[in-house]
Amino acid sequence: AQRVTQVQPTGSSQWGEEVTLDCSYETSEYFYRIFWYRQLFSGEMVFLIYQPSFDTQNQRSGRYSVVFQKSFKSISLVISASQPEDSGTYFCALSELYNVLYFGSGTKLTVEP
Amino acid sequence: NAGVIQTPRHKVTGKGQEATLWCEPISGHSAVFWYRQTIVQGLEFLTYFRNQAPIDDSGMPKERFSAQMPNQSHSTLKIQSTQPQDSAVYLCASSPWDWGGAAETLYFGSGTRLTVL
Repeated sequence: AQRVTQVQPTGSSQWGEEVTLDCSYETSEYFYRIFWYRQLFSGEMVFLIYQPSFDTQNQRSGRYSVVFQKSFKSISLVISASQPEDSGTYFCALSELYNVLYFGSGTKLTVEP
Repeated sequence: NAGVIQTPRHKVTGKGQEATLWCEPISGHSAVFWYRQTIVQGLEFLTYFRNQAPIDDSGMPKERFSAQMPNQSHSTLKIQSTQPQDSAVYLCASSPWDWGGAAETLYFGSGTRLTVL
């Protein structure tokens, strides 16, 4: 069964705009974490930000932040002041036990100059 | 810090041949993960080691696939009798381990693109 769902296969924005990428997940665990990664064109996965389930405060890291709606089991990645260099595929991932990550299908973002 | 190193970057094999993929985790990281990425299936978890011991191989195809971590500095993923459907990018990741539950992010290598003709 799909644990993590990203319904937007693609997204686009203009330079300087705020971008929101959506993710929903399924888990019965009380403690879990949601991660966001970006895959570069080289194939490398780069960690962006994570949200622990026990923290009700939305996490922020530089231009990245999340909107965590725990009761709806959804989380959005918000990229402020998007730049062409932000283009790539963004993955949401769920970690329940240990550190194993279960990934969504990704959203390919294009930021136009 | 060199990051996670995966070799080779590209590998082409004929159907029925064996393929061995190598991963060198970041020094000091005690957990190593293998994932497979395809267009159709996306990113699939295969297996995971902690302190060289296999912890979870629930994602590994039961036949033909095996993984080992003989020492702290490398892990291998071996595919016997490769089939065209094994064609994928195989990603290795490592992370430190903290029972305290801090954010142990995974650090990924650039992957090995396996093509089975």
